[in-house]
Amino acid sequence: SQTIHQWPATLVQPVGSPLSLECTVEGTSNPNLYWYRQAAGRGLQLLFYSVGIGQISSEVPQNLSASRPQDRQFILSSKKLLLSDSGFYLCAWSVHGVVRETQYFGPGTRLLVL
Amino acid sequence: AQSVTQLDSQVPVFEEAPVELRCNYSSSVSVYLFWYVQYPNQGLQLLLKYLSGSTLVKGINGFEAEFNKSQTSFHLRKPSVHISDTAEYFCAVSEGPGGAQKLVFGQGTRLTINP
Repeated sequence: SQTIHQWPATLVQPVGSPLSLECTVEGTSNPNLYWYRQAAGRGLQLLFYSVGIGQISSEVPQNLSASRPQDRQFILSSKKLLLSDSGFYLCAWSVHGVVRETQYFGPGTRLLVL
Repeated sequence: AQSVTQLDSQVPVFEEAPVELRCNYSSSVSVYLFWYVQYPNQGLQLLLKYLSGSTLVKGINGFEAEFNKSQTSFHLRKPSVHISDTAEYFCAVSEGPGGAQKLVFGQGTRLTINP
């Protein structure tokens, strides 16, 4: 069966510091991968998605970036965090090439920027 | 662009009572609709989805939803709730062609079950 991992689970970082959140998927190959952010009391906002290694699409302009160095690895980064980057970050995957396929979410990383 | 509106931000219900969580969407094309549940400090879990076929969709944990094209709604229902149903519920619509499906989420409805 497929599983999705995210780490760290919780992170407290000072403003201006760098960020690296990692997401890995097991049990499937060539998945579509997604990064979402959930700000306090708000819904989910799609940040990035990827349909293959090295292929990243950005949905929202901001100081975050994403990379996909391996087939089942998706990384969310920032060079300098802002207070507004605080939130709950969720990674998700879906089957590649199947339209309207379900997205499966990881456990999330809670980021607090102080 | 597609959008999703969840009409209630919070819904308090007594245990064993029925519940309906409302969701309306806007779209000019065929849609695919989803309900996800998020328990405290956890990721999202799929409850049910509508892709095509029967407009009444049954999901996990006794939940069901009905797709109503004329009213552009996809309300979630459960005939008798349990304390363990306390969570946040998100309605989502799928948009976008191509190789990746992009989900547009509503703002969420916090369901609180009181004993």
